[in-house]
Amino acid sequence: SAVISQKPSRDICQRGTSLTIQCQVDSQVTMMFWYRQQPGQSLTLIATANQGSEATYESGFVIDKFPISRPNLTFSTLTVSNMSPEDSSIYLCSGRQGGPYNEQFFGPGTRLTVL
Amino acid sequence: GQQLNQSPQSMFIQEGEDVSMNCTSSSIFNTWLWYKQDPGEGPVLLIALYKAGELTSNGRLTAQFGITRKDSFLNISASIPSDVGIYFCAGPPGAGGTSYGKLTFGQGTILTVHP
Repeated sequence: SAVISQKPSRDICQRGTSLTIQCQVDSQVTMMFWYRQQPGQSLTLIATANQGSEATYESGFVIDKFPISRPNLTFSTLTVSNMSPEDSSIYLCSGRQGGPYNEQFFGPGTRLTVL
Repeated sequence: GQQLNQSPQSMFIQEGEDVSMNCTSSSIFNTWLWYKQDPGEGPVLLIALYKAGELTSNGRLTAQFGITRKDSFLNISASIPSDVGIYFCAGPPGAGGTSYGKLTFGQGTILTVHP
């Protein structure tokens, strides 16, 4: 399976600022996804990052708050905009090679704290 | 959307004991996945199940895909301290819905192993 790295691994940010998280995969993947995991909770899908087109967002998540880019098959970014303390969470990048029933693997996550 | 009900929420066991956790859904899943998440890391795939009734082992781990395709269980035998972590069931719901191809996660089972 592919290996995913994320930068930064953690950050502490001020309210009202924005943070861009980078996700790099060591081989091409068909699909890339961004998840949020709040403390002690399960994973919630934010959006599917589509190469060369706008991301597909899940209910409750919007592009203005979480703009996503995916310029190629191995890289994506997620921006958390105009942050508030409620955005404090772990943000996870995920990738999948092949069809919907293939293994989906995850990056180590970015731990974000908003003051 | 699709929901997976995972139980128990947490377990506190002694080293050497066996562990069992399960996951149920109100709708059919074509694939059942079991992930483990260590502190500060992303989830790592432990076992994937693709066929109703399938029983698969990975070392001390055994998982089964329920005959009804609406449930799965994971057993860990002879637990050791490094088994500590959060275990998630997950699956992509069947074709035909808006969730097709996207993983739905259970709430997770937090496992603590006392030496």
